[in-house]
Amino acid sequence: QKEVEQDPGPLSVPEGAIVSLNCTYSNSAFQYFMWYRQYSRKGPELLMYTYSSGNKEDGRFTAQVDKSSKYISLFIRDSQPSDSATYLCAMSYNSGGYQKVTFGTGTKLQVIP
Amino acid sequence: GAGVSQSPSNKVTEKGKDVELRCDPISGHTALYWYRQSLGQGLEFLIYFQGNSAPDKSGLPSDRFSAERTGGSVSTLTIQRTQQEDSAVYLCASSPGGVSYNEQFFGPGTRLTVL
Repeated sequence: QKEVEQDPGPLSVPEGAIVSLNCTYSNSAFQYFMWYRQYSRKGPELLMYTYSSGNKEDGRFTAQVDKSSKYISLFIRDSQPSDSATYLCAMSYNSGGYQKVTFGTGTKLQVIP
Repeated sequence: GAGVSQSPSNKVTEKGKDVELRCDPISGHTALYWYRQSLGQGLEFLIYFQGNSAPDKSGLPSDRFSAERTGGSVSTLTIQRTQQEDSAVYLCASSPGGVSYNEQFFGPGTRLTVL
């Protein structure tokens, strides 16, 4: 079993839809929870990160962490064609003095105009 | 300012040849990471540098893989006697470092194809 599980998709939605992306994990040591966006042939870029359980909102994006269920989500409101990309969840814990990050496999999202 | 840069952007090589991949991190970032991204596999951690030392090499898949960092800046990932299963995108990231979370900034990657 992988430490972080993420549905690879692809996920196709119409413009304006609400998108829900999810990951589950097994390692209770994870402290920080991140979402990265990766456009084709580019490196991942950080969208949001949270520490511990709860919600965090940034514009059209909301990240949720439920540590009791070992489940994290990213919601995208009013999705736009420019949101079409692969979304990677990531989690980290303190390993010998640095935050070791484990990534999910990524969910490919397509927003249809 | 400049972001993380990687070279070459694409590399095609024959099985059995050695390859060197280069990463130029953001100036002042003490932490540097190498990852490998294969289709459907997500980002696989390879190695972490703090300054010039590599306290975590646990992700290197075999002794054919090695990496070094000089002057606390540029890093080179070397793959000896390449195999077809080494074909992937190799990503480098840098961050300010520290025990708390710091954003990792990624380069565009080097796409390696082993024929």
